[in-house]
Order: sequence, then C-alpha cells, then structure tokens
Amino acid sequence: DAMVIQNPRYQVTQFGKPVTLSCSQTLNHNVMYWYQQKSSQAPKLLFHYYDKDFNNEADTPDNFQSRRPNTSFCFLDIRSPGLGDAAMYLCATSIDGNSNQPQHFGDGTRLSIL
Amino acid sequence: GQNIDQPTEMTATEGAIVQINCTYQTSGFNGLFWYQQHAGEAPTFLSYNVLDGLEEKGRFSSFLSRSKGYSYLLLKELQMKDSASYLCANQAGTALIFGKGTTLSVSS
Repeated sequence: DAMVIQNPRYQVTQFGKPVTLSCSQTLNHNVMYWYQQKSSQAPKLLFHYYDKDFNNEADTPDNFQSRRPNTSFCFLDIRSPGLGDAAMYLCATSIDGNSNQPQHFGDGTRLSIL
Repeated sequence: GQNIDQPTEMTATEGAIVQINCTYQTSGFNGLFWYQQHAGEAPTFLSYNVLDGLEEKGRFSSFLSRSKGYSYLLLKELQMKDSASYLCANQAGTALIFGKGTTLSVSS
C-alpha cells in the first residue's frame, strides 16, 4: 500500500550527538513536512519542502536542518540535540499543499536524548 | 495569528454522542481539518470543512461556521476504540496549524 514510512520508530541519541531521522513516501506527493510533537502538545511545523523548495518556519531553531534528495525521501538532521529536543517527530505529505487536500502522516519517530 | 482552542479532555460512555468544539482565529482561514491520534501513533485524517455547514461521514460529522470561527466534531455511537486525541487544525498556506488536541476517554 502507498504510505509514508518513518525510520526508525524509536531513536535514542546522546546529548550533543548528531542524529538523522528519515522519511520516505510512495504517494508521489509534492510536499513533505516535518512536525515536532511534544507530550500533550500540538504537532508543531518545523519546515516543509514543496518539491525542491525548502520552507523553514520562522521559529525553527538552527539546530534543525532538512534534506530532500529526491521526491521520495526527506531527512531531518538535528546537529546537536539537547534534552529539550526529545519529542515525537512526524513526517507528513500532501499532494500539492492545497487547502482541500489532507496531509498523510507517517507513524513518527520518538526521539530520546540521554 | 492562528490560535486554535479546544477542550483538553472529555469523557463519555459507550454508545453515547459527544461533541468536541474548536474555535480559531478567522484571519487566513483556508479550511478546517479534524484528525484523530491514538497514543503513540500518527494523526489520521477524519474530516475537512471549508464551507459552512455539516459534513457527515459515518459515525463522525464535522460542522463549520466561518463567521464565528467555530467548528465541532460530532461522534455518534461511541466505541471504546474512539478513545484518542482529536486534533483541530487550520490550513495556513501549505501548512497545518494544530490545536493541542482534545483527549477523549470512552468508558463502558
């Protein structure tokens, strides 16, 4: 089935050690999003790609970077994770970002910082 | 701004009907989504409203009043599996702005 796949489901890293989370999609959607969701909070958009165009949210820390080497894959890089970065990271896609198209979410990667 | 407000928690019993309300700021409105999120899982799409009125989809219905900046999700014939967080989200450009979610607990 077409889907949004995130790997790994659970990731543990050390304070300050770079970590990369991955997302792939078989939906051939143009737009890919990364959200951060902390416990009991709303998903917060970090950035998104419309095709190859990168769109960073104004309040996303510089510590967070993203890469989209092709249509199917998108990566979230955290250069120096801090304890406050422990969260669920959700990848989502949409066909073209238009308002009447729902976003399709992956199962998320839960990141823990030691 | 895109403040979205919804109740933090609600409880209900199996077979009952529950209404989850959501209010949002009307500036930049492009459509109102409802998502369901079970603990530890990804949000899944439930409904979308862009015009005023009620959209019915099986046991779930969603209502929108654009002039009031108000929406609700109506869940009928509640089942235990409906225990989850329900997220209201406003489309802003190509991004979704989510509320904090309403945690619904269904008991037998």
